Amino acid sequence: GQNIDQPTEMTATEGAIVQINCTYQTSGFNGLFWYQQHAGEAPTFLSYNVLDGLEEKGRFSSFLSRSKGYSYLLLKELQMKDSASYLCAVRDWEGYSTLTFGKGTMLLVSP
Amino acid sequence: GAVVSQHPSRVICKSGTSVKIECRSLDFQATTMFWYRQFPKQSLMLMATSNEGSKATYEQGVEKDKFLINHASLTLSTLTVTSAHPEDSSFYICSAQVRGGSADTQYFGPGTRLTVL
Repeated sequence: GQNIDQPTEMTATEGAIVQINCTYQTSGFNGLFWYQQHAGEAPTFLSYNVLDGLEEKGRFSSFLSRSKGYSYLLLKELQMKDSASYLCAVRDWEGYSTLTFGKGTMLLVSP
Repeated sequence: GAVVSQHPSRVICKSGTSVKIECRSLDFQATTMFWYRQFPKQSLMLMATSNEGSKATYEQGVEKDKFLINHASLTLSTLTVTSAHPEDSSFYICSAQVRGGSADTQYFGPGTRLTVL
């Protein structure tokens, strides 16, 4: 089976740095994705990790440790518009490329 | 980046009617499209995987006769909710897979909010 855990909610202030963790136990692994979803909208792609290590893309970075079944999304220089739900999703095997999503972490950025 | 559209964005219908939702990849060809359902404050739940020219693969617990999926071309997939009931009210989101490279990323449409009265 698939099990993906992330914190339900986090709060941070504008300009700060926040780290959103994700742990997973899946029957197979072929990549981990992070998506951002604003209320009432569809998710937008943020990052992809398939090998261990850190992937940096502007203000966003994502880290993966396959041996630990662990990933985090790091957001720097937080802005008010970063208030959204952040979804961790794991792709289990390459044939279907299906994603299993965590329940999402609601991040609230305050002034 | 890859653009995926959905139509309609919002639909309200009476119980017992059928509703069709279209998902289009606008600037790329998608051999695989996915349909998700999301209830309030819940995560996305995969309903089915749709491959162009073949039958959709449904997830466990999803009724294939109730949620009809047609993937007639490389840019269009449709989901028809047949004999809709209030419990089918949800946010339906499609995604299209961009093949190539190592990511094979899924890009999501804007979603369709279905309300069944």
